[in-house]
Amino acid sequence: EAQVTQNPRYLITVTGKKLTVTCSQNMNHEYMSWYRQDPGLGLRQIYYSMNVEVTDKGDVPEGYKVSRKEKRNFPLILESPSPNQTSLYFCASSPYGGNRDNEQFFGPGTRLTVL
Amino acid sequence: SQKIEQNSEALNIQEGKTATLTCNYTNYSPAYLQWYRQDPGRGPVFLLLIRENEKEKRKERLKVTFDTTLKQSLFHITASQPADSATYLCALAPYSGGYNKLIFGAGTRLAVHP
Repeated sequence: EAQVTQNPRYLITVTGKKLTVTCSQNMNHEYMSWYRQDPGLGLRQIYYSMNVEVTDKGDVPEGYKVSRKEKRNFPLILESPSPNQTSLYFCASSPYGGNRDNEQFFGPGTRLTVL
Repeated sequence: SQKIEQNSEALNIQEGKTATLTCNYTNYSPAYLQWYRQDPGRGPVFLLLIRENEKEKRKERLKVTFDTTLKQSLFHITASQPADSATYLCALAPYSGGYNKLIFGAGTRLAVHP
């Protein structure tokens, strides 16, 4: 089944404890992206990647890191989480970025709480 | 400032009627605009994409219009059903982002009553 998977689905952690949220897609998509969703603010893009070893900042990249060493994986790293990073996180992938139809396939979400 | 706005109030309609959702934007020049559906606790699901040079797009009971002069997109669901109840998100890809960035509205919740 074609899908985007994220792990963990739920995470409660404490301020300053480094964590990684994994994202994997099995559709051979070139483009991957991370979003956070907060009430009243909608989805905001954190980082995106056009292909392996190519990443760029979205609108809210502060406090996050990403890497794209393999085409299928795009982990999101919080080096020192803070309470304002408590949110619902979505990973998404798309066949291509750029000037093409950019239908995005979303993962199920990761609900993160930072105490 | 740049904004993309959807009606934050829920839209309640009767089954069988046409639901119309609005997406307005300011200070963006979008290459295209997309609509997604999101059910509680789930990721958004793509519905339709409309490009800047297209006025209207249809898919089964769904219709999207795009007016770059008014800076507005309308999303219609005809013959609505209770199963259409969800939150609907619009998203645009601005030229300034090289089409790689997608800017989302906060969504409008639709409730279709039997």
